[in-house]
Amino acid sequence: QQQVKQSPQSLIVQKGGISIINCAYENTAFDYFPWYQQFPGKGPALLIAIRPDVSEKKEGRFTISFNKSAKQFSLHIMDSQPGDSATYFCAASIFGNEKLTFGTGTRLTIIP
Amino acid sequence: GAGVSQTPSNKVTEKGKYVELRCDPISGHTALYWYRQSLGQGPEFLIYFQGTGAADDSGLPNDRFFAVRPEGSVSTLKIQRTERGDSAVYLCASSLTTGRGSEAFFGQGTRLTVV
Repeated sequence: QQQVKQSPQSLIVQKGGISIINCAYENTAFDYFPWYQQFPGKGPALLIAIRPDVSEKKEGRFTISFNKSAKQFSLHIMDSQPGDSATYFCAASIFGNEKLTFGTGTRLTIIP
Repeated sequence: GAGVSQTPSNKVTEKGKYVELRCDPISGHTALYWYRQSLGQGPEFLIYFQGTGAADDSGLPNDRFFAVRPEGSVSTLKIQRTERGDSAVYLCASSLTTGRGSEAFFGQGTRLTVV
């Protein structure tokens, strides 16, 4: 059973634009929602994370929006840059870092 | 010290053979995780250790898979009688402790190919 659904599968955005990736979850016991960035040949790296008691968290150009009632959360990348081109994974867990459940990933390409 | 180190980076083995994948976590990290990432998919949880003990091994697909962490540091993932479906990137991660606020750092993974 896929507990975290991620869309779109791939995304092309012009440099300077806003990249938006969406995730939906099923398990209401999830209480930790991180986003990971993965470059080819590398392991995932934590980008930003949110807890369900806040609706938004911003770190630099990266923002997570969280809608608890809809069981959805999204990543917004403002002023997207070519260096942001990577695969992005949303994830969720119940007790923090243990047993992360990942989405299927979004391959983001930023074009000049 | 440096980040999470996984060896080998690539492993090609014949169907039916036994393989061992090694993970050196960041020094001082008590929690260690194994994930498996198939092509085009997100990582899937296999097992996590808190210290020397396996706190949750519910993600191991079957009894051909086994992992140990005898001294609470280095961990080895062992796969017996490998099958072509075991081909994937095996990722290891470690964190200072468990729970929110303790970031998990991933290694680069071991790409296992079963031919």
